[in-house]
Formats: sequence, structure tokens, C-alpha cells
Amino acid sequence: GQQLNQSPQSMFIQEGEDVSMNCTSSSIFNTWLWYKQDPGEGPVLLIALYKAGELTSNGRLTAQFGTTRKDSFLNISASIPSDVGIYFCAGIPPRGAQKLVFGQGTRLTINP
Amino acid sequence: NAGVTQTPKFRVLKTGQSMTLLCAQDMNHEYMYWYRQDPGMGLRLIHYSVGEGTTAKGEVPDGYNVSRLKKQNFLLGLESAAPSQTSVYFCASRQQGTSPSYTFGSGTRLTVV
Repeated sequence: GQQLNQSPQSMFIQEGEDVSMNCTSSSIFNTWLWYKQDPGEGPVLLIALYKAGELTSNGRLTAQFGTTRKDSFLNISASIPSDVGIYFCAGIPPRGAQKLVFGQGTRLTINP
Repeated sequence: NAGVTQTPKFRVLKTGQSMTLLCAQDMNHEYMYWYRQDPGMGLRLIHYSVGEGTTAKGEVPDGYNVSRLKKQNFLLGLESAAPSQTSVYFCASRQQGTSPSYTFGSGTRLTVV
């Protein structure tokens, strides 16, 4: 089936640093989503991207839908302790609206 | 608003035992989903439903059955649990249409020994 390769798998940063992570696939997607998961909770939607090339922000978070429709990027600026968690990319393939595909996740740890 | 509620939150089963995980949503969503989450593998779709009385297989359906007798409930059953089914299970729901806004429950951690 379709797969999303998310990198890096983990990040250890200092508070205040910027963070970048990305997701790539060999297949195209119509929609890219970025989720955050806190310990013991389900994923919560951060940003949704609907068109190739789209750049969308949500506070300190910025995400982009790659022009090839096969990748997406998430940036977090000026990280704070509450940014700790696991970040997942997810994609909705063409003709597969019910089959959201998830990346493996990026675990973000922040040293105060 | 309760959103998506999963019960139980934790369960330990012996190999071969059966159990049912319950998912309930109060948002009148048409679509409901069951995912499993394993370390380093993200979330994988087990089964889903596009409406009351309908179910369909996802990416990893083997060993699981589901039922959607009422719109607000989506049940996931394990007939004969295996250690490979040790995982965290998440239910999600969303409105009919193209909105990608999935609402997830807080998960059920299942251990099969």
C-alpha cells in the first residue's frame, strides 16, 4: 500500500530553536495533514493543506504542500516546552478519501 | 462536548480470549474509523464505516471484526486475541464530505499475553 516516509524520527532541541520535519512518498496525495499527539491522547489536527504549493500557518507552525504532491513540510518556530510530543504527517490519496495514510511520526523533545 | 469516547482505556488479554472495544461519538458524524498504533509505524487503518450498517476493510483488517449498528457507535472485536494484536487502538470520526477533520479518541492500550 501507499507509504509515507517521515523524517527525522526524533529530534532533541533547545527551547527557542526552530524545528523542521518532512514527509515524502512515491505516490501523490490530494490532501496533506499534520497532527500532534500528546502522551496518552489521540492525534489532534494542526494544519490541513489542499493544493500543491500551498503554504499555511497556524501560529508558530507553518506547513507546505509540495509542488509534486508527493511531499510536505512542517516548521515550528521558536519552540516552547508544550511543543513536546509526536508529530505525524498524513495524506489522503486520490480516490481514497477514507484511507488516510500516516507517516511514522517525529518525536520532539525539548531541553529547557 | 465529549467528542469521541473509547472504552476501555486499558486491557490485558490472554492469548485466545475475545473482547470488544467500544467507540462512541456525539457529533453526528457519518464516518468512523479504527486504527492501531505501533511503535515506529504511525497509525494503520483496520476497518472503517461510511454510515450506519456499513463497514469496510482497511489496511490491516485480519483478526478483527467491526459493527456499526447505530450511527454513534463503532465496535471493534477481537475473536481470538494474539500477541501480535498488542497495540494502542484509536477510533476516529469525521463528517460526511471532503473535510479532513478527523476527531480521534484518546485510545485503548491493549496487551495480549
